[in-house]
Formats: sequence, C-alpha cells, structure tokens
Amino acid sequence: GQQVMQIPQYQHVQEGEDFTTYCNSSTTLSNIQWYKQRPGGHPVFLIQLVKSGEVKKQKRLTFQFGEAKKNSSLHITATQTTDVGTYFCAGPNSGYSTLTFGKGTMLLVSP
Amino acid sequence: GAGVSQTPSNKVTEKGKYVELRCDPISGHTALYWYRQSLGQGPEFLIYFQGTGAADDSGLPNDRFFAVRPEGSVSTLKIQRTERGDSAVYLCASSADRAATLHFGNGTRLTVT
Repeated sequence: GQQVMQIPQYQHVQEGEDFTTYCNSSTTLSNIQWYKQRPGGHPVFLIQLVKSGEVKKQKRLTFQFGEAKKNSSLHITATQTTDVGTYFCAGPNSGYSTLTFGKGTMLLVSP
Repeated sequence: GAGVSQTPSNKVTEKGKYVELRCDPISGHTALYWYRQSLGQGPEFLIYFQGTGAADDSGLPNDRFFAVRPEGSVSTLKIQRTERGDSAVYLCASSADRAATLHFGNGTRLTVT
C-alpha cells in the first residue's frame, strides 16, 4: 500500500536556527497536506499543495511540492519556541478515501 | 459546535472489556474519519464514513473493532474484548469532502490495563 516517509524523525535546534523536514511518498500524489501537532494536542492543518513544483509561504514557513509530486519539504526560517511540535505530511490514497500520514518530524527549539 | 468533539477524553478499562468512543463532527461535514495514534507515530487510518455508510474500513485491525454513524453525524467507535495493545489515542476527524482538509478532535486516550 501507499507509504509516506519523513526525515528526520527528530530535530533539536537553538532558537533562531533554520529547520527543514522532508517527506517522500511511494506513489505520486494528487496533493499533499501538512499538519502540526503541539505536545499533548491534536494535528492541525497547515497547508495543502496541489501543483507540481508548487511553493507556498506562511510567514517563516516555506512549503514545497516536488516536480514529480512524490516529495515535499517544509522549511522554517529562524525558528522560535512557538514552533515546537511534530510536523506531519499526509497524502490521499488513490481512492481519495483517506489521508496517509507520515510518522512525523518532532521539532524541539531551545531558547 | 465549533469543532470536532470527542468523548470521553480519557478512558481506562480492563483487558477484555467493551468500550465505546464517541465523535461529534463539525456540523455539515459529510466525511468522518477515525484514526489511531500511538506514541511517536503518525495517525493511522482506521475507517472513513461518507454520510451514514462506511466507505472504507480497510484500516480496522480486526473484527473486534466496529464503528457506526447511523444518522450521518455522530459516530461511535466500538471495541470489543479490549487488549493491552489497543492502548492509544483515538482521533476523530471530519472534513467537508473526502480527503479534503481534516479537522481533528482532541482525541480519546484509551488505556487498557
């Protein structure tokens, strides 16, 4: 079945450093979504990318969808302690009946 | 309500018991999903409802797990003869359409002792 893989599993940075997480799918995706889960919380939708090569920005966050629509990345510039959490990418299965989530990248930011 | 509501927030049960977990989705959302999340893992798909019918139940691990959504709104996930391996956070999500943006509830933390 469809697999979504994320690296790294965990990253610890100093506040102000940049952070990047990478997502790879075993199948071509029609779109990819990113979610953030704060410690003790539930996943919250961040963004959806649809087009090949698409780049979207949300303040310090930059999301990119690969040309082959099989990979994606999330880059955070100048991390802040409020960025702490686990970032998940997710892609729909072929039947559009569900989203398959990666295992996530946990980000820790030290002040 | 404003968001997806799940009850109870925590449930502790003994091995072998039956449990029911409830999800009240965002009003008007036709798609409803149940996911299970273990520590350090991403949400794992269990079942998807479109309206009243289970459109995809391929994620249910075995026949001890069952879910219903009789009126196309509230859903109940039922687990029979619970096992310690069932311990996890059970997340419910709803969306306006299939595989669209998912709105998650706070989850039910199930602990089987």
